[in-house]
Amino acid sequence: SYELTQPPSVSVSPGQAARITCSGDALPKMFVYWYQQKSGQAPVLVIFEDTKRPPGIPERFSASNSGTMATLTFSGAQVEDEAVYYCFSTDHSGNLWVFGGGTKLTVL
Amino acid sequence: EVQLVESGGDLLQPGRSLRLSCVASGFAFDDYAMHWVRQVPGKGLEWVSGISWNSGSIGYADSVKGRFTISRDNAKNSLYLQMDNLRPEDTALYSCAKAMRERSTVGATAPDSWGQGTLVTVSS
Repeated sequence: SYELTQPPSVSVSPGQAARITCSGDALPKMFVYWYQQKSGQAPVLVIFEDTKRPPGIPERFSASNSGTMATLTFSGAQVEDEAVYYCFSTDHSGNLWVFGGGTKLTVL
Repeated sequence: EVQLVESGGDLLQPGRSLRLSCVASGFAFDDYAMHWVRQVPGKGLEWVSGISWNSGSIGYADSVKGRFTISRDNAKNSLYLQMDNLRPEDTALYSCAKAMRERSTVGATAPDSWGQGTLVTVSS
């Protein structure tokens, strides 16, 4: 079955840049989405269709998708960005969605 | 404002069946694909199933294929998940989610709004 691979955790100091990666062999052909989930809350979409930010998502969130790796970047992480981040995409068939395992971002 | 309210979660034994419901409001339900996603408390997200706006496109995760059936009733603004032959590993919080773009197939667009979920526990 298809898998998306993320690092389990990333740590960063407030105001510093941080990156979370997501790898999968269908990524060259499929869009990637990124969700933020804070403890006890529903996921929030922070990036859609590889690079686009929904309304209300701060500009410090950006993303790219190149080759078999997608990257979510924080230009200057804030304490309020602490959460688990999931990448989400489809397999080669385009009909089966898969989440990455999630990356815990710690800002301290 | 988009609202998605799930119901039907329960505690039941392995091998039993359960039907989850999700009632939608605040948007034109019949124009959007819908998804079910589950999450074991403290663990990661797992996509379960999706259905297009007109039920013409349906997809299932390998882990539930052949046991779960997704459906929708656009006249009632409702999404359903029929779960048969339940297993302990199906224990999770089940949430419904609305796709981003109108009139899309299951694989064309991801969710942008989620409900709070309903808890399913499968245990003997």
